[in-house]
Amino acid sequence: EDQVTQSPEALRLQEGESSSLNCSYTVSGLRGLFWYRQDPGKGPEFLFTLYSAGEEKEKERLKATLTKKESFLHITAPKPEDSATYLCAVQAYNYGQNFVFGPGTRLSVLP
Amino acid sequence: DTAVSQTPKYLVTQMGNDKSIKCEQNLGHDTMYWYKQDSKKFLKIMFSYNNKELIINETVPNRFSPKSPDKAHLNLHINSLELGDSAVYFCASSQESRNSPLHFGNGTRLTVT
Repeated sequence: EDQVTQSPEALRLQEGESSSLNCSYTVSGLRGLFWYRQDPGKGPEFLFTLYSAGEEKEKERLKATLTKKESFLHITAPKPEDSATYLCAVQAYNYGQNFVFGPGTRLSVLP
Repeated sequence: DTAVSQTPKYLVTQMGNDKSIKCEQNLGHDTMYWYKQDSKKFLKIMFSYNNKELIINETVPNRFSPKSPDKAHLNLHINSLELGDSAVYFCASSQESRNSPLHFGNGTRLTVT
């Protein structure tokens, strides 16, 4: 069965303490892997799309990487404003237009 | 301008009532979705719809029905509301192409008492 898991469930960092979030997936025919950020009371906000193993994308303090089985979201020198829930989602060829989401990692960055 | 907007933001109602949530997107996308986010923050697809096809997640009760008056709108109607329907409902849109991510509204928190 196709599925998406994320770890850790929650992560607390001190400001400036770099770390990584993991998204593992088992799908047949990956069409794309997407990272989103969700703030309380808001809808998920798109961050990155990755399509093939070895691909990397960067935006400010965030860098996303992709292998055949998992993706990492690396956060370098995080700031308190990076606190949010980070969701990954996969789109597979056998899902059509559907996106399957992982449960998210709740990140707290303390000043 | 808000890209995907949904109303109301909060909806409190009693069991057995019928309610609707409205969604509009101004991105020119051809596919719209409804997702349900439960108390554990898990986002699950309920429906996806474009000009050609409505795809329903088979686990969604038939009390839930999407209605699309045009390409920019996908409303969600819920009949005979139950306590277990309490959740946050998100509307989203995308363009049917490999490169298009989902764009979400800010959600409707439904509370059934």
